[in-house]
Order: sequence, then C-alpha cells, then structure tokens
Amino acid sequence: EADIYQTPRYLVIGTGKKITLECSQTMGHDKMYWYQQDPGMELHLIHYSYGVNSTEKGDLSSESTVSRIRTEHFPLTLESARPSHTSQYLCASSKDRGYNEQFFGPGTRLTVL
Amino acid sequence: DQQVKQNSPSLSVQEGRISILNCDYTNSMFDYFLWYKKYPAEGPTFLISISSIKDKNEDGRFTVFLNKSAKHLSLHIVPSQPGDSAVYFCAAIPNSGYALNFGKGTSLLVTP
Repeated sequence: EADIYQTPRYLVIGTGKKITLECSQTMGHDKMYWYQQDPGMELHLIHYSYGVNSTEKGDLSSESTVSRIRTEHFPLTLESARPSHTSQYLCASSKDRGYNEQFFGPGTRLTVL
Repeated sequence: DQQVKQNSPSLSVQEGRISILNCDYTNSMFDYFLWYKKYPAEGPTFLISISSIKDKNEDGRFTVFLNKSAKHLSLHIVPSQPGDSAVYFCAAIPNSGYALNFGKGTSLLVTP
C-alpha cells in the first residue's frame, strides 16, 4: 500500500501569490517526482529527485522550483502564480528509477484566478 | 511529440465482458511498460507492468500483451466489473530513463 501524501488537495488562489505544494512519503523511497496533468491530457514530468539535495528539471518546462532537504519531503513552489499554472500536480515516488513502479499521491488541483 | 498514444479516449463495456484497452508507442528505446488506473480526484494507481523481454504478463483479471514489432501493447480485463470504471493510462520508460512517458488515457465505463 502506497503512503504518499499531498496537501492541499484543492487550492484556489489569486495571481501573483506565492504557493507551496507539499508532498511527503513514508516508504523511504529515494526517488521522487512531480508531474503536471491538464484534463484529458497525459501526465508530464516537471521535476525529479534521486535523493537528498538532488533535484533536476523534467521534460516539461515549468516555472516552479523544488527542494529535497529530507528524504521523505519534496515540496514544489511557485513564486508568483499565474492563470497558466492552473493544472493538477501529482507527486510520485519509487524505490528506484525505471523498473520499479512509481507510487502516486492524490494530487493537488490548483486554480489561479 | 507524443511518444505514447492511446487513440481511444473512451470505451464502454458490459459487465462480465472483456475490456481491451490499446496503446501504441513510437520510441524503440522503451523497454518497460506500465498500466495505471485513475479515479476522479485521485492519483494514478499502478495496475500491471511488462518488460520488453516478455510478450504477456497476467495478474488475476488483468493481462497485458506486448507486440514489440508493432510497438503495441494492450490491457485485457476479464471479466469486467463496474468498479473497473476509471481512466486507464499506458506508460513507458526507456532502459536508461527516469521519467514515465504517459499516454492521454482511455476512460473505461463498465455498465451493469
């Protein structure tokens, strides 16, 4: 059973605000990922981490930033939210890259007005 | 450029019948494939996977078939149940990769 948590589940916020989306996992996984998904579309990787103090940008360009100070915690920050950031953000983790399945959190639905 | 394609956005099947969800890919470097199931307002849940060295993997009611020459895989659900109604995503990863490449998903509706 996957134990990966995201907060908030839903967020409606005005343009220009700074926001942080939280993601935590209790499985001790080294690898963590952030995906972005628009309705009816595929998930796109925007950030990933192989471990503490390791962060990399994914295939889809994003104005968000991430940090990995603790193994279990992988927050995503938007310094100044814009309507174009409206989307669903999904956090995932895996024991290893590639050949192990990634476990997903429930997602954060972000709406920027 | 989308490398994993699920060309059927939706599928409706009667309870008890077989559901067949299809997926095509273009990148010949992909060598591991996964199916995820997603309910509304939840994250994707891993369902079943297959390595490129196999052509079939079975887990209970779920079977995934891989045709490497055609760059095609399919998920069979037998028998289909109303609780299977969800969006199914196909995903693939190359042997040196880190990111799952997802299709757009197929929405399955199983009717009683």
